[in-house]
Amino acid sequence: QITLKESGPTLVKPTQTLTLTCTFSGFSLSSSGVGVGWIRQPPGKALEWLVLIYWDDDKRYSPSLKSRLTITKDTSKNQVVLKMTNMDPVDTGTYYCVHVDYSANGDFDYWGQGTLVTVSS
Amino acid sequence: SSELTQDPAVSVALGQTVRITCQGDSLRNYYASWYQQKPGQAPVLVIYGRNNRPSGIPDRLSGSSSGNTASLTITGAQAEDEADYYCNSRDSSGTSLFGGGTKLTVL
Repeated sequence: QITLKESGPTLVKPTQTLTLTCTFSGFSLSSSGVGVGWIRQPPGKALEWLVLIYWDDDKRYSPSLKSRLTITKDTSKNQVVLKMTNMDPVDTGTYYCVHVDYSANGDFDYWGQGTLVTVSS
Repeated sequence: SSELTQDPAVSVALGQTVRITCQGDSLRNYYASWYQQKPGQAPVLVIYGRNNRPSGIPDRLSGSSSGNTASLTITGAQAEDEADYYCNSRDSSGTSLFGGGTKLTVL
């Protein structure tokens, strides 16, 4: 059974760096084809794909946010960490951690429950 | 830059058929996947690939594609199908993008 859970601060101040951790179980991020990503959703708005990290440490970033994002993985801990610099109130929203497996369907087949991050002074 | 375009809102009478569309250049080369999101919940993958449903997704949901347009069809819409639906696609650089979402109302 695959599960993912996001953790991190619920409130950050403008200009600060957000650090979110995705802790997962039921799969290994060292298995060929497997990846973990982040997707966010401002309140009442659409989903926005942010970043993916693959089993081979390949990383893909949203072009519009690439300069602010860093994703890393710790395979031994079953964790993926997202850092987003220079936070702004427009970055307020729910951040989801997702699983992808390109040896299966290559789509976001498992999602975490999401964590709401508010950016405010 | 790449983008996927969806109608903001669509409505359907209970038991009738509705099609939700998604347009974008990336869809000429990559299949769309579709996600259903109900209020207060995380999205759920409902269609992927040519026309595949994950386990537990009812067969009244189906997907199709033609040119730069992907479609999600619900045949015999039920009250529980009322939700927001998002299309998603990769592009040639290996990144991913979502459509703006369609709010489906079942009347």
